[in-house]
Amino acid sequence: AQKVTQAQTEISVVEKEDVTLDCVYETRDTTYYLFWYKQPPSGELVFLIRRNSFDEQNEISGRYSWNFQKSTSSFNFTITASQVVDSAVYFCALSLNSGGYQKVTFGIGTKLQVIP
Amino acid sequence: DGGITQSPKYLFRKEGQNVTLSCEQNLNHDAMYWYRQDPGQGLRLIYYSQIVNDFQKGDIAEGYSVSREKKESFPLTVTSAQKNPTAFYLCASRFPGPGELFFGEGSRLTVL
Repeated sequence: AQKVTQAQTEISVVEKEDVTLDCVYETRDTTYYLFWYKQPPSGELVFLIRRNSFDEQNEISGRYSWNFQKSTSSFNFTITASQVVDSAVYFCALSLNSGGYQKVTFGIGTKLQVIP
Repeated sequence: DGGITQSPKYLFRKEGQNVTLSCEQNLNHDAMYWYRQDPGQGLRLIYYSQIVNDFQKGDIAEGYSVSREKKESFPLTVTSAQKNPTAFYLCASRFPGPGELFFGEGSRLTVL
């Protein structure tokens, strides 16, 4: 069974604050992929990052950074110096092979509101 | 520009009516997916198709049907058998394998 937990359903921060979105996953597979997507008010999910289970290297992309820790089954997402444009729903997702098909399980999402 | 187009963006229907949501992609992706999004439940998989003329049920396929006659198109029909069809529906596609999904802008269905 695979599961993704995003315990924070809604977060509000003031602009320029840092914010971390938590993601905890469950799987017995040793090969899997983790994703983060952003859903702005327009509705379309936008891909942010993919990590495979063999690469625990953290990643930074501008104001975004991701911390992947297999020991705690977590793949957390930090936004530094948040901006109003960061306001969106963020989804963490887990993808693994299920009978020749890549089954993707999404968390329930974290709604981030950045207040000016 | 390459992408996924969903239509209509908003749709209202009366109980007992079937409705078809359109999804077209020009990304040359083999795999296409339909998800349903409800508040507090994330995205749940309805149907997926890995190649033309083949599709599989996802986690919540009851009350829905699909077809995949062309690589570019994967329409979803919400039938009258779907007990609670009011939701936001998202179509996605990708190349085979564990790559990222590309999403359309969604269709919001409201049953009156």
